[in-house]
Amino acid sequence: DTGVSQDPRHKITKRGQNVTFRCDPISEHNRLYWYRQTLGQGPEFLTYFQNEAQLEKSRLLSDRFSAERPKGSFSTLEIQRTEQGDSAMYLCASSHGQDNTGELFFGEGSRLTVL
Amino acid sequence: AQSVTQLGSHVSVSEGALVLLRCNYSSSVPPYLFWYVQYPNQGLQLLLKYTSAATLVKGINGFEAEFKKSETSFHLTKPSAHMSDAAEYFCAVSDHAGNMLTFGGGTRLMVKP
Repeated sequence: DTGVSQDPRHKITKRGQNVTFRCDPISEHNRLYWYRQTLGQGPEFLTYFQNEAQLEKSRLLSDRFSAERPKGSFSTLEIQRTEQGDSAMYLCASSHGQDNTGELFFGEGSRLTVL
Repeated sequence: AQSVTQLGSHVSVSEGALVLLRCNYSSSVPPYLFWYVQYPNQGLQLLLKYTSAATLVKGINGFEAEFKKSETSFHLTKPSAHMSDAAEYFCAVSDHAGNMLTFGGGTRLMVKP
């Protein structure tokens, strides 16, 4: 399978714990995006990378959230000191930098439940 | 700033009936517009996109959408609904740099037998 893959698919954690999600984009894509989707809502932009550079961050990305893409390939999204409000589906997407239309290819998401 | 409004969070149609899902956008630059579909427990999948070529865009599974600049709309249609079309549909807009997509709140399509 050569699509975007995310791990883990489901994570249940207790409030205050740290969690980390991993995203492996389509191999030739140099742009990688993180979105958050809560129940009944559309995806909300969190941040995006071009290669290893984090170029934009949403105001939704509080200081408890950090994202990295150290070698311009896979990315991680870490949430520290989780809160119940962090419960959501975290979506990763990638795109080819030569296509500037904004078409994104999405993974199946990582669902976070904070108890 | 860009935004997308999808009128109707839930739409129910009978199998074989016309499907019409509404999307209006706001953008300070000529937009690129997209429709994505999300089936249960699956990732978002691109249905179709408008990138300033033909205003009537055809997508997968018999869906199409028409870009109307005067109405700032990009409604999604399908002449005849199938049970397999039941899913959540998201309209999205991106800026000319393609840096990110802004999504609407989604419309859940239900198809009755």
